[in-house]
Amino acid sequence: EVQLVESGGGLVQPGGSLRLSCAASGFTFSSYWMSWVRQAPGKGLEWVANIKQDGSEKYYVDSVKGRFTISRDNAKNSLYLQMNSLRAEDTAVYYCAREWLVLSWFDPWGQGTLVTVSS
Amino acid sequence: EIVLTQSPGTLSLSPGERATLSCRASQSVSSSYLAWYQQKPGQAPRLLIYGASSRATGIPDRFSGSGSGTDFTLTISRLEPEDFAVYYCQQYGSSPRAFGGGTKVEIK
Repeated sequence: EVQLVESGGGLVQPGGSLRLSCAASGFTFSSYWMSWVRQAPGKGLEWVANIKQDGSEKYYVDSVKGRFTISRDNAKNSLYLQMNSLRAEDTAVYYCAREWLVLSWFDPWGQGTLVTVSS
Repeated sequence: EIVLTQSPGTLSLSPGERATLSCRASQSVSSSYLAWYQQKPGQAPRLLIYGASSRATGIPDRFSGSGSGTDFTLTISRLEPEDFAVYYCQQYGSSPRAFGGGTKVEIK
């Protein structure tokens, strides 16, 4: 069974940092682009970042450029999102999701991890 | 940057009725690169449709997608109790990929 399990969310003060992880299983992780997508409480979905199979290409939404870094460890079947200089508007559930191409739909998604930025 | 507008915001229907959800793009979506997702409270989104009209694995045939260019539609032919949820469209023909604001299908 294909499965994605996020962890690492929590409460952090504005300006703080947090590192999210996503553990993948049930498929050949190193063969797929992977993304992070977030959803603010009661709001819609926003793509955040994605990374190529070998980590050589990374893309970000403008609002997180220079603050967030996506990475992966194919030996550990894991995806990461390092989030620095966090702002209140970064408060959201963060989902990791598998992609089928560099520009693609997302399937499947993890269950998400909640990040709350507040003092 | 393509902006997706979904309508209506809320659709109130009874089980067994037909649901028609609209997704309009601010500019043409290349090659019909449009997907639809279902999200229930407290759950992650689930892929329903990709390529505007191809059903994802395991999705019942009461779900169908159509459209091209700037106008796309998700149709649920006969609503089942488990279909009451929020539905999002997403374009992946250009970067950044964008989602619509969602349509909530609620029980009337």
